[in-house]
Amino acid sequence: GAVVSQHPSWVICKSGTSVKIECRSLDFQATTMFWYRQFPKQSLMLMATSNEGSKATYEQGVEKDKFLINHASLTLSTLTVTSAHPEDSSFYICSAPLWAGGNQPQHFGDGTRLSIL
Amino acid sequence: KNEVEQSPQNLTAQEGEFITINCSYSVGISALHWLQQHPGGGIVSLFMLSSGKKKHGRLIATINIQEKHSSLHITASHPRDSAVYICAVPLGGAQKLVFGQGTRLTINP
Repeated sequence: GAVVSQHPSWVICKSGTSVKIECRSLDFQATTMFWYRQFPKQSLMLMATSNEGSKATYEQGVEKDKFLINHASLTLSTLTVTSAHPEDSSFYICSAPLWAGGNQPQHFGDGTRLSIL
Repeated sequence: KNEVEQSPQNLTAQEGEFITINCSYSVGISALHWLQQHPGGGIVSLFMLSSGKKKHGRLIATINIQEKHSSLHITASHPRDSAVYICAVPLGGAQKLVFGQGTRLTINP
């Protein structure tokens, strides 16, 4: 079945560091990927929609200059948390539908647990 | 009020019990998703349904579009079913999802 690979699975780094998270579709082409954030005991919240070959669409309240998204190919989207601070510590996860448009099951990465010291 | 509400938030049961998790939503939708989040955080899509009922193994999902309500049932529950179950609906007809708070299910042996 369709697989989305997310890397790294966990990161611990110092405040001020920039962290890049990768999400790859392994056996299908993902023109669209979604990035979510989940704080402990809370539900997933959509951060942005990553579109291959064009700018990402950010949800209200998400700083696009802080959370840089690049979707340069049909199989790779990256989320870079720039100058990360302790309040950015969270669980980040991506998903992609098999194809664009219509109702599709979402295929999720395994997530990245980010801890900023 | 959240667009997607789940109940219960937490559920503990004994192995073998029949489990029901409920999801109500307030927006018009074309489909509803049930997801399973494992303790490590990974998420698996269980069902996507727009009407009636779907069954996969011991899992059954139903939806009533008129009542804006869906249920996820687990028959003959097992400790390996312990996870957080999340319902989600597409936002504004697009593929991006709005999630319920999740139901943390614990099945004791």
